[in-house]
Amino acid sequence: DQQVKQNSPSLSVQEGRISILNCDYTNSMFDYFLWYKKYPAEGPTFLISISSIKDKNEDGRFTVFLNKSAKHLSLHIVPSQPGDSAVYFCAASLVSSGSARQLTFGSGTQLTVLP
Amino acid sequence: KAGVTQTPRYLIKTRGQQVTLSCSPISGHRSVSWYQQTPGQGLQFLFEYFSETQRNKGNFPGRFSGRQFSNSRSEMNVSTLELGDSALYLCASSYRDPRSYNEQFFGPGTRLTVL
Repeated sequence: DQQVKQNSPSLSVQEGRISILNCDYTNSMFDYFLWYKKYPAEGPTFLISISSIKDKNEDGRFTVFLNKSAKHLSLHIVPSQPGDSAVYFCAASLVSSGSARQLTFGSGTQLTVLP
Repeated sequence: KAGVTQTPRYLIKTRGQQVTLSCSPISGHRSVSWYQQTPGQGLQFLFEYFSETQRNKGNFPGRFSGRQFSNSRSEMNVSTLELGDSALYLCASSYRDPRSYNEQFFGPGTRLTVL
């Protein structure tokens, strides 16, 4: 049972336009959400996060929106640049058994920004 | 500050063999997590270690095991390899106690191919 879903395996966007990557989750116990970016042959790198007590967090060209009632979050990249082309993973965190936090990742969305 | 390092970067094994992967976290980081990445599945959580203790474990068979040493370096072992174990194995380290949320920093991964 996938608790974090990224239903679009790929997305192509023109340079300068907005990229919107979506993520849905099923577990209402998740209280922290993150986006990671991954280039080929490299490990994922942290991009931006949001706590469940907020509905928006902005960092430069990147904004994450959280809709708790819909159990949905999205990452907006404006303006999109060719260097943004990568796989984007959505992740959700909760305190699991033993009081340890655990990250659950989605399957990723390949973003291609066309020049 | 040096990042998370993983050795080896690439490994080819045959079915039935066993393999040991190594991860050196960022200096000062005490928490190490392991993930398996396969196409279409995203990152699947294997286990997490903090101060030499396994704090959390994902839904993987007992053939997958790990340990953490006093210097926070970690190893994971897969015994009786199966073709389906072919994947990118990622290690991530973080600074604080895993009970509080903190960012994970990923290594470049070890690409394991089972023939």
